[in-house]
Amino acid sequence: AQKITQTQPGMFVQEKEAVTLDCTYDTSDPSYGLFWYKQPSSGEMIFLIYQGSYDQQNATEGRYSLNFQKARKSANLVISASQLGDSAMYFCAMREVRNQFYFGTGTSLTVIP
Amino acid sequence: DGGITQSPKYLFRKEGQNVTLSCEQNLNHDAMYWYRQDPGQGLRLIYYSQIVNDFQKGDIAEGYSVSREKKESFPLTVTSAQKNPTAFYLCASSKGQFSNSQPQHFGDGTRLSIL
Repeated sequence: AQKITQTQPGMFVQEKEAVTLDCTYDTSDPSYGLFWYKQPSSGEMIFLIYQGSYDQQNATEGRYSLNFQKARKSANLVISASQLGDSAMYFCAMREVRNQFYFGTGTSLTVIP
Repeated sequence: DGGITQSPKYLFRKEGQNVTLSCEQNLNHDAMYWYRQDPGQGLRLIYYSQIVNDFQKGDIAEGYSVSREKKESFPLTVTSAQKNPTAFYLCASSKGQFSNSQPQHFGDGTRLSIL
């Protein structure tokens, strides 16, 4: 079974609008971490935001927030007030304790002026 | 500034040749990883190492080899047994072998092509 599933291969959003990128995960461990990364066309992977499985509040970092629904095993990334520079691939990832990271297949986001 | 340095940025391999991709980090991280990314695809794990002198195979280890003789360094060798090596290779490191809250930090990648 896939550990991380991203069902949206491509998304479009109008500049200044908000967009939600979907991510579901599969684990039986009670302790795990969820991460989102951005990969621009230049190739580098940029860490955006982290959510721990025991965190009560949704994580936020500037214009990024993580909509964490533990019972549904969902960790969607919300980008508010989209900018042209947000156009990139976005990857959801999970780490269980003592294990390697698991990445989804990514979502390509295009911001339209 | 601490970070991960991958070299070279671009690499070309001839048929039957082994090539080595360099990855060095000065973040004092215990764990290091190698990923392969094909165009339009996600990251696939090749090898990872949680501690010096120890490493484990990932999902696509065939045709690749690694070593971890120093904490700072985790070179990847693409051997001639890897018949389709053309891809983007990313090295990463993370802190805390027993922690799931530490993110991975990535290098800028190496693009490998066959001549």
